[in-house]
Amino acid sequence: DSGVTQTPKHLITATGQRVTLRCSPRSGDLSVYWYQQSLDQGLQFLIQYYNGEERAKGNILERFSAQQFPDLHSELNLSSLELGDSALYFCASSATFNSYEQYFGPGTRLTVT
Amino acid sequence: AQRVTQPEKLLSVFKGAPVELKCNYSYSGSPELFWYVQYSRQRLQLLLRHISRESIKGFTADLNKGETSFHLKKPFAQEEDSAMYYCALLVGSQGNLIFGKGTKLSVKP
Repeated sequence: DSGVTQTPKHLITATGQRVTLRCSPRSGDLSVYWYQQSLDQGLQFLIQYYNGEERAKGNILERFSAQQFPDLHSELNLSSLELGDSALYFCASSATFNSYEQYFGPGTRLTVT
Repeated sequence: AQRVTQPEKLLSVFKGAPVELKCNYSYSGSPELFWYVQYSRQRLQLLLRHISRESIKGFTADLNKGETSFHLKKPFAQEEDSAMYYCALLVGSQGNLIFGKGTKLSVKP
């Protein structure tokens, strides 16, 4: 599968814990975006990386951080987890840094108990 | 402030009926707008963009700058159109998309 992949599919953890979500972009795409989808807030942009560098920041909490590695995969780190962090986290990729056509991964469902 | 509003959470129509999914936006610059769709158990994917002015799967959307709207329309809905539809605004300087909260379209037989 040459599309966007995300691991794990599901994650259940307790409040106060830290987790890492992983994303591999489509082959050849340099830009990675992270989105959070919750029932009340909808799909919200968190952060974008382009070729290893942070490009844009959205509504990302200070407890959250991300990075993009030389092989272009990206990780989203969520720490001091709260119940309200339970959501679907999507990764998307695109060829350039300002592309409207973003290819989405299947998402990681995070449940904080 | 940049914002995309989809006023309807759920829209239910019968097969063959016309469909209009509403989208309004707020943006100080020149807007670039898109419709994304998520079918059941599939990934979110681009449906169409306003610049191309094309019809995809029978859907069209016209940008109305005066009314700051980008409604998605289809004259005759099909059952396979049932999905979640998201209107999105590209923040050109940053390159990220701002999504509306989505409208669930249900087409009944």
